[in-house]
Amino acid sequence: GQQLNQSPQSMFIQEGEDVSMNCTSSSIFNTWLWYKQEPGEGPVLLIALYKAGELTSNGRLTAQFGITRKDSFLNISASIPSDVGIYFCAGRMTGTASKLTFGTGTRLQVTL
Amino acid sequence: NAGVTQTPKFRILKIGQSMTLQCTQDMNHNYMYWYRQDPGMGLKLIYYSVGAGITDKGEVPNGYNVSRSTTEDFPLRLELAAPSQTSVYFCASKEQGEQYFGPGTRLTVT
Repeated sequence: GQQLNQSPQSMFIQEGEDVSMNCTSSSIFNTWLWYKQEPGEGPVLLIALYKAGELTSNGRLTAQFGITRKDSFLNISASIPSDVGIYFCAGRMTGTASKLTFGTGTRLQVTL
Repeated sequence: NAGVTQTPKFRILKIGQSMTLQCTQDMNHNYMYWYRQDPGMGLKLIYYSVGAGITDKGEVPNGYNVSRSTTEDFPLRLELAAPSQTSVYFCASKEQGEQYFGPGTRLTVT
């Protein structure tokens, strides 16, 4: 089965730095989602993207739906300690009972 | 609303034992999903349901069974537990919005 490739696998950054991560697929998706998972919890939706080229923000988070529909990007500005967690991308095709294909995750650590 | 609840939170099984992972949602969502998450990996779809009485296989259904007799509940059954089923299991539901996840069940098979 397909899993989306996310990079980097992990990041260690200092508080206040900006973060960029991306997700690539061999298949086209009609929806891209970004979730965050904290230890011992389920993924929580951060941003949803529904149109190729779309750029959407949620506070300090900004995500983009790639023009080719095979990739997506997430940026976090001015990171803070509570940004620590694992960030997953997920893609969805129309008409597939809303099934999601998940990326392998980017683990973010923030140091003071 | 409690959202999506999963029980138990943790469980240790011996090889060959069986168990049911419970998932309940109180949002009247028609779509429900079961995923497993192995260490360092993303989530993989086991089974899903588009409504009461309707279920279908996902990417990794072998060794599992599901039923959906009500809108609220979507239990996942392991009949003969194997070490390869050691994982964290997440249930999710959705309707008009995006998938909303439960807190997970951590299962160890030894």
